[in-house]
Amino acid sequence: EIVMTQSPATLSVSPGERATLSCRASRSVSSNLAWYQQKPGQAPRLLIYGASTRATGIPARFSGSGSGTEFTLTISSLQSEDFAVYYCQQYNNWPYTFGQGTKLEI
Amino acid sequence: EVQLVESGGGLVHPGGSLRLSCAASGFTFSSYWMSWVRQAPGKGLEWVANIKQDGSEKYFVDSVKGRFTISRDNAKNSLYLQMNSLRAEDTAVYYCARDVPGLHYWGQGTLVTVSS
Repeated sequence: EIVMTQSPATLSVSPGERATLSCRASRSVSSNLAWYQQKPGQAPRLLIYGASTRATGIPARFSGSGSGTEFTLTISSLQSEDFAVYYCQQYNNWPYTFGQGTKLEI
Repeated sequence: EVQLVESGGGLVHPGGSLRLSCAASGFTFSSYWMSWVRQAPGKGLEWVANIKQDGSEKYFVDSVKGRFTISRDNAKNSLYLQMNSLRAEDTAVYYCARDVPGLHYWGQGTLVTVSS
């Protein structure tokens, strides 16, 4: 199985700042990588798929990059509603696997 | 509007069985792969299984192989997860999600608790 490793585990930032979250795959997943946002008590929400394509309705301040084994989610100017847990997920090979998550906090 | 509504969760004893359902609406259900994903209390996300549009392909995470079965009824726009030989470590909120590429839509989840 492909192991997905996210860093950092927790990222402390201020509103208006830029946040950069990383995700590494144990072997290549091509561009078959998605990012999700999850707030307490809610289901996850898809932000990015195909490593860099924003899902429907996702603001332009969210961007994804990378391919192969190294991926990045960037939030250009943090809004208060962006403080949440973020997960990456590979869907290149079964079983699909998620990273352990990065908590974005103030 | 895409809607996914899970049901069937509850409290079950170790070794017991439970069948989860997911009712889909707002899209052509038969055109999409569908997945189940779970989240143990306070933990991260774990993909459990998925199924092709016509049910001809099914994949599972190793920890549930031989115990869980995924199926669908395209005429009823419904997805199912049959869970047998349940263990304490299967305790989680179970989500159904529309699949590929990425999990674009999720239900609100149904809680399964395995405890004596």
